[in-house]
This record gives sequence, C-alpha cells and structure tokens, in this order.
Amino acid sequence: AAGVIQSPRHLIKEKRETATLKCYPIPRHDTVYWYQQGPGQDPQFLISFYEKMQSDKGSIPDRFSAQQFSDYHSELNMSSLELGDSALYFCASSLNYNEQFFGPGTRLTVL
Amino acid sequence: DQQVKQNSPSLSVQEGRISILNCDYTNSMFDYFLWYKKYPAEGPTFLISISSIKDKNEDGRFTVFLNKSAKHLSLHIVPSQPGDSAVYFCAATAETQGGSEKLVFGKGTKLTVNP
Repeated sequence: AAGVIQSPRHLIKEKRETATLKCYPIPRHDTVYWYQQGPGQDPQFLISFYEKMQSDKGSIPDRFSAQQFSDYHSELNMSSLELGDSALYFCASSLNYNEQFFGPGTRLTVL
Repeated sequence: DQQVKQNSPSLSVQEGRISILNCDYTNSMFDYFLWYKKYPAEGPTFLISISSIKDKNEDGRFTVFLNKSAKHLSLHIVPSQPGDSAVYFCAATAETQGGSEKLVFGKGTKLTVNP
C-alpha cells in the first residue's frame, strides 16, 4: 500500500541557511499535517492543510512557511535556520479527518 | 502544559504476558484518541484508535480502553511479543477552528518485551 513519502530523509545545513522539506501524501488523502519532534520530545504540531488551503497553525516559527500544491504534495520552507531547528520533521496525511498516517520523517541537522 | 500525559517513560514485560500502557489527558474537548508505535528512525505507525463515544475498541492483540470520567485511556497488548518493543505514543484530537484535527501527543512510553 502507498505510504506518505518525505524527502530528503536527512538534511544538514549551516546556521542562517534555508531548507525545504517535501511531503507526498497518500493518494486521495485531502489533509496534510507537519510535526516537529525534537530530541527526546513528543511530536509537536506545526501546520496543516486541507484541500490546498491552510487549515490550522500550531507552534510554527515565523521563519517557517508551508504550502500545499495542486497535486497535494506539501513543502515546508525553513529560513534563517537556527541550531534549535535540528529535529525530526514528520509529515502526516489523512482522509476526512480520520487517522493520520505518518511519513518516515526528515532529520534536519543544523550546524 | 502537557495536555496528554504518559507518566511512565518505560515499561518492561516478559514475552507472552500483558503490556498495559497508560495515558491521561486534561482537555475535555478531546473527542478522538489514538495510539501510535514508533521505531527509531521511522515515523509513528498508527495502531488503534477510539472515539469518545466508546469505552473499548479491540483489534487483534491490541485493545484500547477509555474512561472519560477519569480522562484516562490505556492500551493493552496481549500476548506481548519481542517485536512489540518500541516507543508508544498516546495522541488525542479535537476539531480546531480551522477544521483540521491536529494530534496532541504524549511524551511516549518505551516498551521492552523480553524473550
């Protein structure tokens, strides 16, 4: 069965650089969620999109932005990276607000 | 403030016995609860869920119990198998103003099933 795809799986950036994370939801899923999981922490909700429109916003820094495209894939753009942005970034997708299915995550390391 | 709490960071059980993972929540607006299992370097994998209108949901070796009055839920795994060793996250949702249902996670319980 198709799963959520995230790319890249690993990303290393310097401070103040920018990063773009991509998420390809399960086909026909209409909602995409982004979560950030810091070391030893639980996943924290960042932002979500329903039918290509932003539907909710959590603890997402102003330096971050995201969008969902016509093919339903989503991108999380992160600028002016800080050391504290080093984390696992998960994308999840769902259909009609049912269970969320997570991708494998992107591990971002900011040096 | 932690709206979803998993007070046991770790649990160790013998293979074949029952594993019971507990979760408490504080937000009475939560109306749907989920358990996820997570292996290192992988995303959380959905296990089982329960709606707030039910008090029990069963799927194979996994059963989730919900006690709304106590704002408590638990995940029972029986019989436990070594492959069940992972971090288990309890999560809850409530529909937000935007219409989405973001997940609020607990901090997880690391389950170790010993052969």
